Amino acid sequence: AQKITQTQPGMFVQEKEAVTLDCTYDTSDQSYGLFWYKQPSSGEMIFLIYQGSYDEQNATEGRYSLNFQKARKSANLVISASQLGDSAMYFCAMRARGTGGGNKLTFGTGTQLKVEL
Amino acid sequence: GAVVSQHPSWVICKSGTSVKIECRSLDFQATTMFWYRQFPKQSLMLMATSNEGSKATYEQGVEKDKFLINHASLTLSTLTVTSAHPEDSSFYICSAREGWAAGELFFGEGSRLTVL
Repeated sequence: AQKITQTQPGMFVQEKEAVTLDCTYDTSDQSYGLFWYKQPSSGEMIFLIYQGSYDEQNATEGRYSLNFQKARKSANLVISASQLGDSAMYFCAMRARGTGGGNKLTFGTGTQLKVEL
Repeated sequence: GAVVSQHPSWVICKSGTSVKIECRSLDFQATTMFWYRQFPKQSLMLMATSNEGSKATYEQGVEKDKFLINHASLTLSTLTVTSAHPEDSSFYICSAREGWAAGELFFGEGSRLTVL
């Protein structure tokens, strides 16, 4: 079975500072992918970043980077230079063959991020 | 980029009625679409995988007679909540795959259902 754990229900960060959102996962598959999505209050799911299990380098996308520690089974999201518009719910998700393949994702419980002035 | 559109974005209905939610891939063909359900302040839970031209695959614990899924074409999947009750009130989100790259999985805007 696949499992994603996000232990931080809520986080506060000051504008322009960096913040790390934690994510750990559990899977018996050797090949899997890890995603981070942002969900603002409007509800849509916005794709942020992806890390494949065989990728040797940590993924980066603009202000987003993924701190991938395979041995620890963690895939933390780092947001640099936080902006007020970053305030949203953030979900970590995993795709693995054990989930039945395709793009079926298993989601964590999410972290509500609030960026303050 | 590719877009997935859901309609309606919100709907209010009376208990006992049925509600249909549409999920369309606007500029690509999607052989597989996924339906998720999200309760307030909770995570997305996969309900079923919608396969074009065949029956949907439901996750454990999801009533297939309650949540009817039809994937009649490569660009349209529908979720019908039959005989809706207040406990069915939720946010329903679909996703569709254009390709196998991570950035090629797209989510709809979601549909908020309130059953009175």
